[in-house]
Amino acid sequence: DTGVSQDPRHKITKRGQNVTFRCDPISEHNRLYWYRQTLGQGPEFLTYFQNEAQLEKSRLLSDRFSAERPKGSFSTLEIQRTEQGDSAMYLCASSHVLGQGVFYGYTFGSGTRLTVV
Amino acid sequence: GQQLNQSPQSMFIQEGEDVSMNCTSSSIFNTWLWYKQEPGEGPVLLIALYKAGELTSNGRLTAQFGITRKDSFLNISASIPSDVGIYFCAGHNTDSWGKLQFGAGTQVVVTP
Repeated sequence: DTGVSQDPRHKITKRGQNVTFRCDPISEHNRLYWYRQTLGQGPEFLTYFQNEAQLEKSRLLSDRFSAERPKGSFSTLEIQRTEQGDSAMYLCASSHVLGQGVFYGYTFGSGTRLTVV
Repeated sequence: GQQLNQSPQSMFIQEGEDVSMNCTSSSIFNTWLWYKQEPGEGPVLLIALYKAGELTSNGRLTAQFGITRKDSFLNISASIPSDVGIYFCAGHNTDSWGKLQFGAGTQVVVTP
């Protein structure tokens, strides 16, 4: 088990281009989360999946953002028509939760740093 | 946006000194967590707190879950250079499974 993996680590793109990030969670974890972190701020929740179902989306996730988790394994986050304001670190995290069990916190990946020029 | 107020924003301390930081919220949380983030990496969980008044230690780190359930504190004793990083508090509620609210972080710089 190598933890949560994110790819790529860095992405520089021109404004208006589409980008896609990938996250591979810890294999036995059923929940997968996406967060966005801008400089000097803590992570902000974007969306999360339980297995393949996307259960909640933040208002931060505009129509240009879409996330998928086919087959409940890896997840992708796509940003269409990127804007300079999309520049941020995109963090993926995973956890395993059974029903209303105790929440033990996430394991985060190292993130994908997006720069829109 | 974020609803957690974390202070101080930054701390410059000498090696061997103790560090204290706190986090307050406008709403009640069932779980408080403290993370540390180093440059270019994701946050790493340090301590999780589950009960009001709970005091939990992890090595030189001690955190407390405030009695009002609206605040939490983290102390680092006898700081060392590897304590450098940004420390985040995060709150969680059982009725919002999965979603954490983070503070803006406390940057800790340790000088020899």
